[in-house]
Amino acid sequence: SQTIHQWPATLVQPVGSPLSLECTVEGTSNPNLYWYRQAAGRGLQLLFYSVGIGQISSEVPQNLSASRPQDRQFILSSKKLLLSDSGFYLCAWSPPYRALYEQYFGPGTRLTVT
Amino acid sequence: QQPVQSPQAVILREGEDAVINCSSSKALYSVHWYRQKHGEAPVFLMILLKGGEQKGHDKISASFNEKKQQSSLYLTASQLSYSGTYFCGTELSNTGKLIFGQGTTLQVKP
Repeated sequence: SQTIHQWPATLVQPVGSPLSLECTVEGTSNPNLYWYRQAAGRGLQLLFYSVGIGQISSEVPQNLSASRPQDRQFILSSKKLLLSDSGFYLCAWSPPYRALYEQYFGPGTRLTVT
Repeated sequence: QQPVQSPQAVILREGEDAVINCSSSKALYSVHWYRQKHGEAPVFLMILLKGGEQKGHDKISASFNEKKQQSSLYLTASQLSYSGTYFCGTELSNTGKLIFGQGTTLQVKP
């Protein structure tokens, strides 16, 4: 069966510090991968979307970036965090070759920028 | 373009029914429904693709209207475990990219 991992679970970082969040998927090949951000009490905002290694689609302009160095690894990064980057970051995957498949979410990383 | 969910919040007693709506100004390719418990990740409920489609399992079902601009989620004889925030995620075309509504918070009381 497929499993999605995210770490760390929680993170407190000062403004201006760098960020690296990691997401890995097990039990499937060539998944579509997604990064979402959820502000407190709000909906899910799609940040990045990837259909394969090195293929990243950015949905919202911001100071964040994403990379996919391996088939089942998705990394969210920032060089300098802003207060507005605080939120709940969720990684998700869906089966490849898009054909109406649901998305499966990881446990999330709760980021607080101070 | 973000879909609009209504109502924003619902409080029910166990055994009561609820309907959550998700509306778009444009015809959609598909609608996904997810439930999120506080502090947890969203969990998939169901997908609707065809206009006029209805589907469901247990006492949770959903419909997609003929114009494919509105979907409704029906929760029948609600249970305490139904509490959480319900999100619809919509696709304008077959891209795999979802735009989520702002969520509807459902609280079921004993």
